[in-house]
Amino acid sequence: QKEVEQDPGPLSVPEGAIVSLNCTYSNSAFQYFMWYRQYSRKGPELLMYTYSSGNKEDGRFTAQVDKSSKYISLFIRDSQPSDSATYLCAKSGGSNYKLTFGKGTLLTVNP
Amino acid sequence: SQTIHQWPATLVQPVGSPLSLECTVEGTSNPNLYWYRQAAGRGLQLLFYSVGIGQISSEVPQNLSASRPQDRQFILSSKKLLLSDSGFYLCAWGKTRDQPQHFGDGTRLSIL
Repeated sequence: QKEVEQDPGPLSVPEGAIVSLNCTYSNSAFQYFMWYRQYSRKGPELLMYTYSSGNKEDGRFTAQVDKSSKYISLFIRDSQPSDSATYLCAKSGGSNYKLTFGKGTLLTVNP
Repeated sequence: SQTIHQWPATLVQPVGSPLSLECTVEGTSNPNLYWYRQAAGRGLQLLFYSVGIGQISSEVPQNLSASRPQDRQFILSSKKLLLSDSGFYLCAWGKTRDQPQHFGDGTRLSIL
């Protein structure tokens, strides 16, 4: 079992929709959970990170962590075409200073 | 604020040629530095990381090497490129081992 599994998508939604992106993890050793947004031909950009269970909100984005079920989610409200990108979840706490990444979900928001 | 620079953005090299990719970080001191390769459908693969000048740890045996000659400079090299070295190379920095990492805009390397 891979340490972080992410729904591969692709996901296509209309503008204004609520988007839910999800990952599960298998190793309980962790420090931070992160969400990155990656536009085509660019490096990943840190969107949000959280240390604890529960919700963390930043504008239209909410990161949710459920440690009991080892489930992490990113919700995007009022999605915009500019949100079209690949979203990567990641966690730290593994060996060797390593972040463990999901493979990414490609999101397209249609105007 | 901190910034990370990577260059070049795009590189086309013949098989067997050498490689040098450079990454520099501004606005922070003693960062942890990382080189990743991202292949389509395969996610991000950590190649090297460094916790200080001259300190390099390799994650994957390969045709590449890394060096850190200065605190905020990280270099990825190869003496002879292989076709399999094609990919998108990303440099990243982090303040501590567990905190989020911040990425540069990457170098797209094509080997012909």
